[in-house]
Amino acid sequence: KNQVEQSPQSLIILEGKNCTLQCNYTVSPFSNLRWYKQDTGRGPVSLTIMTFSENTKSNGRYTATLDADTKQSSLHITASQLSDSASYICVVSLLPTDSWGKLQFGAGTQVVVTP
Amino acid sequence: EAQVTQNPRYLITVTGKKLTVTCSQNMNHEYMSWYRQDPGLGLRQIYYSMNVEVTDKGDVPEGYKVSRKEKRNFPLILESPSPNQTSLYFCASSYLVTYEQYFGPGTRLTVT
Repeated sequence: KNQVEQSPQSLIILEGKNCTLQCNYTVSPFSNLRWYKQDTGRGPVSLTIMTFSENTKSNGRYTATLDADTKQSSLHITASQLSDSASYICVVSLLPTDSWGKLQFGAGTQVVVTP
Repeated sequence: EAQVTQNPRYLITVTGKKLTVTCSQNMNHEYMSWYRQDPGLGLRQIYYSMNVEVTDKGDVPEGYKVSRKEKRNFPLILESPSPNQTSLYFCASSYLVTYEQYFGPGTRLTVT
């Protein structure tokens, strides 16, 4: 079973609106949790990296939050732009005592921003 | 320019014909990793390397081999490709495993 689950699978939003993507994980504790943005046919690009003890991390209009109690992370996109249309991937990096070097990927949320 | 390069970018081959996909990074990164991406399945880790001569299996290593003889290069070898290895492959590197990863442009492989 995948240890990282993302929801929704896809969503469509109007340009200028905000949206929130969810990531639920079972790996706990972990080294860090990352959010990537992947444009179609291209390699993923890192948006944020949070350690297990961090609650929030921002990168421009992208804000990631982490709740270790509920084992959830969210990525909030503010004032969406057409260029935000992409797949957003949640990734968990395991601890040194637990397959150090392995990364667990979510299946991604496909976001489409419409004019 | 700091980057991860992959070659070839596109490859069509036949079942059983050995092939190598090269990956090179110019950032002196210790950690490198290979992934495959299939529709509906997301990215899956094939092999990773913590440093030179140190490699380990990811979640889907069957049918693949890797080597890390130099820090900058991490080739992916398919000894006997099969159609189920048709996929989009990405190589990535980072300073250490806990740091931000930089991905290559991808290699689209088709095995007929």
